[in-house]
Formats: sequence, C-alpha cells, structure tokens
Amino acid sequence: QQQVKQSPQSLIVQKGGIPIINCAYENTAFDYFPWYQQFPGKGPALLIAIRPDVSEKKEGRFTISFNKSAKQFSLHIMDSQPGDSATYFCAAIDGSSNTGKLIFGQGTTLQVKP
Amino acid sequence: NAGVTQTPKFRILKIGQSMTLQCTQDMNHNYMYWYRQDPGMGLKLIYYSVGAGITDKGEVPNGYNVSRSTTEDFPLRLELAAPSQTSVYFCASSSSNGNTIYFGEGSWLTVV
Repeated sequence: QQQVKQSPQSLIVQKGGIPIINCAYENTAFDYFPWYQQFPGKGPALLIAIRPDVSEKKEGRFTISFNKSAKQFSLHIMDSQPGDSATYFCAAIDGSSNTGKLIFGQGTTLQVKP
Repeated sequence: NAGVTQTPKFRILKIGQSMTLQCTQDMNHNYMYWYRQDPGMGLKLIYYSVGAGITDKGEVPNGYNVSRSTTEDFPLRLELAAPSQTSVYFCASSSSNGNTIYFGEGSWLTVV
C-alpha cells in the first residue's frame, strides 16, 4: 500500500512541551523517511530524515524514533517554542523505484502557545 | 541562490480556461515533481520526471499535462480548468533518488 498515515491532525502545546507526531506505513519497500516542516505561505522544507537501519536520530531539538517491526515512526520536538508552530508532514520513499517520489502523510498542524 | 522558482504565485481561472504553471530550478537536478496540496490531505503527486525528455504520472494526473524539454524547466499544464483543481501547487526537485527534495514556494490557483 502506497500510504503513510499521520496523526494527530492538529496539536496544541505550551512552550517547553514535547509534541509528538506519529506516522505508520504498510509498504516494507519504503527505505527513507523524511519529515518536512511547512510555514504558512511557504513550501515544505526538509527538517530531519531517517533510514530503517537506525532506531533513533536527533538533530538539535528534533528527534525521530523509528520502529521497523511495527512500521511506525514518530517526531518529537523537545523544549518546543512558538517559532515551531507550523505544519509537519511525514513522508516515505521507496528507493527501489528509483524515482525519488515522496509519499506524504496528511500533515499535523502544531501550535505552540507562549 | 534561487533554488526552485514557480510562477505565478496566485491565479484565478474561470471554468474551462487553460493555463501553465511554470517551474524552473537552477541546481542542475535531474528529478523534478509537481504536487498539489489540499487542506487535511497532505501533498499528492501529480507528475514527475527523472530527466529531460522523461515524464510519468503520479497519484492524481487527471486534468494535467507536463513536459520536460530541458533539465531546468518542468511546466505543468491545466487543460479545461475545473473547480476541483482549486489547490496549492508545489514544484520540487532533487539531484537523485533518495536525496533531499527541495520545494518551491507554491502557486495558489482558484477555479471559479
């Protein structure tokens, strides 16, 4: 199945909280899992990405946790700030297709309150 | 460093009209993509290209056409615009399979 399911659809946290966004997939051929951040009126921009041979990846305040057996992965934002308020998309690529096509989740709108 | 440039930024079309969304990238990327974004639906792939002269359909190609005569340009053609094509359109590019995909800033299209 060429789908990535993302939840929740929206999320509100206080400054300093740790929002968690979850994604699940079915296609075991997916081998690259990026997260994109999108601000209003802008295009998505790569935030962080992981490959299935790693269970966790950290970049600054952003962490991806990856569970290959459950076919699930999640984004954690540590010490969240109002500037993190944006829409977040998980995505997946089937590297064997040699097309680089991103399959996106439905997106999560995050609001971080001051 | 322009990256991926899309024009126009905003456009209002009448039902049945046609138009072309322009996309150009200056990173010498082989792979290019057109996505549409609808509220609560994520981004859906319309068409993609893995190199000049090569194009293929994505998930939602109906009502659209593309061409790729040069590495830099990947225009999206809307024929006989319909209200269902009201959306935000994003062009993107990457150097190869599995590398970072860079997006343009989007084109807001309304069909009335």
